[in-house]
Amino acid sequence: DAKTTQPPSMDCAEGRAANLPCNHSTISGNEYVYWYRQIHSQGPQYIIHGLKNNETNEMASLIITEDRKSSTLILPHATLRDTAVYYCITGGGADGLTFGKGTHLIIQP
Amino acid sequence: DAGVTQSPTHLIKTRGQQVTLRCSPKSGHDTVSWYQQALGQGPQFIFQYYEEEERQRGNFPDRFSGHQFPNYSSELNVNALLLGDSALYLCASSSWGGWTGNTIYFGEGSWLTVV
Repeated sequence: DAKTTQPPSMDCAEGRAANLPCNHSTISGNEYVYWYRQIHSQGPQYIIHGLKNNETNEMASLIITEDRKSSTLILPHATLRDTAVYYCITGGGADGLTFGKGTHLIIQP
Repeated sequence: DAGVTQSPTHLIKTRGQQVTLRCSPKSGHDTVSWYQQALGQGPQFIFQYYEEEERQRGNFPDRFSGHQFPNYSSELNVNALLLGDSALYLCASSSWGGWTGNTIYFGEGSWLTVV
């Protein structure tokens, strides 16, 4: 079973910030939080990952709560091309990356 | 700099046959993992190879086997194909210890259809 919980779907208006939440209440101290997205029929695309500090790169920002039990991925200015399934994953165990069903983000024009 | 490359992109096999899928990791990466993604589901971890040995394995039967070569490329073999093996097979590469902080990159996958 996936170790993270995400809403199944979200909408966001084009040009606005998209905030995708993720709960990972059972995360252990050495596990990272990874975010990937997948556009239909393509391989998952790496977005960002972090351990406990907030992270930012050219694609997104990752905000991790102080207790590390949840995080939020922020796409600052969503475009139509950001429509995809977004996966929040915690890693560090013996079973590879455990993907859940993710959040289907739909960017509305 | 080439990313993770997989071949073939699409293939069709008959039930009971065997299939081999191939993966070349991103330059500088030495660890390869394989995932199976059925339609409408998230990817499921099959196994991971490092230094030409299987290091970790998910909940997949022995019909699924793999190999890693000295140049770090890898193969996934599936024997006695079942209809349920129809899926997108993804290869992921990283440096050793990938999910302890290193970035993990995925290829575009190989679509396998079993008829």
